[in-house]
Amino acid sequence: EAGVTQFPSHSVIEKGQTVTLRCDPISGHDNLYWYRRVMGKEIKFLLHFVKESKQDESGMPNNRFLAERTGGTYSTLKVQPAELEDSGVYFCASSQDRGGSYNSPLHFGNGTRLTVT
Amino acid sequence: AQSVTQPDIHITVSEGASLELRCNYSYGATPYLFWYVQSPGQGLQLLLKYFSGDTLVQGIKGFEAEFKRSQSSFNLRKPSVHWSDAAEYFCAVGGPIYNQGGKLIFGQGTELSVKP
Repeated sequence: EAGVTQFPSHSVIEKGQTVTLRCDPISGHDNLYWYRRVMGKEIKFLLHFVKESKQDESGMPNNRFLAERTGGTYSTLKVQPAELEDSGVYFCASSQDRGGSYNSPLHFGNGTRLTVT
Repeated sequence: AQSVTQPDIHITVSEGASLELRCNYSYGATPYLFWYVQSPGQGLQLLLKYFSGDTLVQGIKGFEAEFKRSQSSFNLRKPSVHWSDAAEYFCAVGGPIYNQGGKLIFGQGTELSVKP
């Protein structure tokens, strides 16, 4: 099966610009997660979709970040306007069952490396 | 507070030597523990997981980890390291699926270098 796919792999933008990251989960996976790793620190949870609904967005840093999952398939994460501290690697993950536990682990994409200059 | 600590940011071992990567966690409920590996240019791959039962769990690529509740630790081990094991390793903790919904708390990662 195809894995979790993220586009683009790298993005370099200037402060104040807008960037949209895309994640295509594994087909049939209702659960989709966004995580972020900033400056070599720990990977942190951003939000969780179940199909098209936001189940938990407690990790979203501020209202400059907007995540959508129209139709319950792919998801986008928009940063507008981008700030320097938004630089990092953004990971998407999907799982069939909620929680990615037991027989349905989280499958991670390769990440999008975002650099804001 | 819930947290995961990986004390070693970077470890270098010789090929063929044994390896132990440390992980300590702080979690208010029964922890669900994971180790992930990220090779250069790749996504995070699950090495192994622990939910309950036998405290020594086996994973892929010859890795194993031991859960020690009294020490709040979940250290990762491999008896003989191969050059292809060079990567970054992440320990993570989560709660029961119906409470936490897949929200994992990660450590800062340990970068492993392997000398020939």
